[in-house]
Amino acid sequence: SAVISQKPSRDICQRGTSLTIQCQVDSQVTMMFWYRQQPGQSLTLIATANQGSEATYESGFVIDKFPISRPNLTFSTLTVSNMSPEDSSIYLCSVEDQTDTYQETQYFGPGTRLLVL
Amino acid sequence: GENVEQHPSTLSVQEGDSAVIKCTYSDSASNYFPWYKQELGKRPQLIIDIRSNVGEKKDQRIAVTLNKTAKHFSLHITETQPEDSAVYFCAASMSNDYKLSFGAGTTVTVRA
Repeated sequence: SAVISQKPSRDICQRGTSLTIQCQVDSQVTMMFWYRQQPGQSLTLIATANQGSEATYESGFVIDKFPISRPNLTFSTLTVSNMSPEDSSIYLCSVEDQTDTYQETQYFGPGTRLLVL
Repeated sequence: GENVEQHPSTLSVQEGDSAVIKCTYSDSASNYFPWYKQELGKRPQLIIDIRSNVGEKKDQRIAVTLNKTAKHFSLHITETQPEDSAVYFCAASMSNDYKLSFGAGTTVTVRA
């Protein structure tokens, strides 16, 4: 399966500032996604990061708050803009990749733990 | 959109016993159902998945069953061990977009 890394692994930020999270994959993948996991909660899809075009956002998430870039098939960034304490979460990227039996499945990066004060 | 419900929210079992987690989904177009295990401070790890053309899948002590008519699927862990203690998430998606809708999670505690 694809090896996924994220930077930073964690950060503490002041409200009103912005943070850009990077996701790097060791192989080219078609589909990349960004999820949010609020403390003690499940995972919620923020958007699909489309290579060469604008990201596709889920209901409740907007581009002004969570701008996403996908310049190539191995890299994406998520920016959390104008942060408030409610943005304190784990942000995870994921990719669709093939298993050993050539079936598509989804793997997650290690996540970025964000605390907004 | 897809709505996935997961039960129970917590599950405590004696080591060696079985654990069963159940999920229901709302969108009959969903055809892919993975299960993830998340240990504290770690990323979700895929442990098993099932597609709509299969009713049951097994991998050592873990099995998943799918009932498409009733729109529910279940995770079965047999002979539980302390290292099975974690949060387990079910999810559903359609193969044309791969977007996962997650259940709320089940915290499994295996008592030694």
